[in-house]
Amino acid sequence: EAQVTQNPRYLITVTGKKLTVTCSQNMNHEYMSWYRQDPGLGLRQIYYSMNVEVTDKGDVPEGYKVSRKEKRNFPLILESPSPNQTSLYFCASSCFPLSISNQPQHFGDGTRLSIL
Amino acid sequence: KQEVTQIPAALSVPEGENLVLNCSFTDSAIYNLQWFRQDPGKGLTSLLLIQSSQREQTSGRLNASLDKSSGRSTLYIAASQPGDSATYLCAVTPRGGGTSYGKLTFGQGTILTVHP
Repeated sequence: EAQVTQNPRYLITVTGKKLTVTCSQNMNHEYMSWYRQDPGLGLRQIYYSMNVEVTDKGDVPEGYKVSRKEKRNFPLILESPSPNQTSLYFCASSCFPLSISNQPQHFGDGTRLSIL
Repeated sequence: KQEVTQIPAALSVPEGENLVLNCSFTDSAIYNLQWFRQDPGKGLTSLLLIQSSQREQTSGRLNASLDKSSGRSTLYIAASQPGDSATYLCAVTPRGGGTSYGKLTFGQGTILTVHP
């Protein structure tokens, strides 16, 4: 079954304790992306990756890092989490970036992070 | 900077009614526009994708139209059912090139409730 898998689904942690949210897709997609969803602000793009070792900033990259060492995985790293990063996070993937192929994005089920 | 607005923020209708959701965007230099559905506690599911050169796309009871010059899109749902209850989001992809390549900007969504 084609899917995007995020882990963990829920995490409560404390300020400053480094954490990583993993994202894996089994569709051999080149393009992957991270979003955060906040009440009143909607979905905002954090980082995206067009292929292995190619990443770029979205609209709200501050406080986040990503890496794309292999095609299937695109982890989101919070080196020193702060309470304003408490949010619902989504990972997505597609065959190509939408700008080229018009292929829809497939989304994971989300990771709810609470930073105390 | 691209801004995407969805009206209304929430809509409640009786089963069987036809309805229209609206999406507007400030920068008409888009490559495509996509409509998503989000169920509570879940990720997004792509419904329809309209290329900038197209006027509309249809899938079952759903019809999405695009008027790029006026910066508007509508999602028409025919004969609504309780199972259509969800949050509907639109998102635009900018015309490819430079750092905008791969970006996606979302509206805040319309919460739809269809009651029996």
